[in-house]
Amino acid sequence: KQEVTQIPAALSVPEGENLVLNCSFTDSAIYNLQWFRQDPGKGLTSLLLIQSSQREQTSGRLNASLDKSSGRSTLYIAASQPGDSATYLCAPTDNYGQNFVFGPGTRLSVLP
Amino acid sequence: NAGVTQTPKFRVLKTGQSMTLLCAQDMNHEYMYWYRQDPGMGLRLIHYSVGEGTTAKGEVPDGYNVSRLKKQNFLLGLESAAPSQTSVYFCASRPTSGGPDTQYFGPGTRLTVL
Repeated sequence: KQEVTQIPAALSVPEGENLVLNCSFTDSAIYNLQWFRQDPGKGLTSLLLIQSSQREQTSGRLNASLDKSSGRSTLYIAASQPGDSATYLCAPTDNYGQNFVFGPGTRLSVLP
Repeated sequence: NAGVTQTPKFRVLKTGQSMTLLCAQDMNHEYMYWYRQDPGMGLRLIHYSVGEGTTAKGEVPDGYNVSRLKKQNFLLGLESAAPSQTSVYFCASRPTSGGPDTQYFGPGTRLTVL
């Protein structure tokens, strides 16, 4: 059974800092891995999707990497802004690409 | 194009009551999912569907039933609600696998069972 952990559980940083969020999963037989953002009281918004054949994806100030063999993914946020404050969840799929297993999330606060 | 919508947004039930949550998507997606999210935990998969007329159990299916009679709708039913089912319920949809697809989420339904 796939288990996903995220470290840290919460993070508070001043505006402008670069930061790294970590995601670990126990079963490396995944199809892809997705990072989501969740604002309080809202649904999830997809940020980046990394296919198993890829090692990283970039979108603006966000960069996500994937190391299947070690069961790890990281989300790098450059030059953080108060608008980045949210909970970030990672979710690897099973090897059929059907079902996602979600981590508990990292709650990020970027202080102005 | 409304994306994924959920009805209702909030609901309070008494123990033993029944209700149905409706998820609708207008993107012609094959896959649909129901998740629950509890404090401090990630989303957990309740049931999912890979196409019209199909359903399958996820990680935490007990106490829930689902139906996918139409491709655009995925219903989640609670036959006899229990306080342990107090949670926020999210629906999601996605195209068929095999490509760089992604899930699209609804805004959630906050359910309280007293």
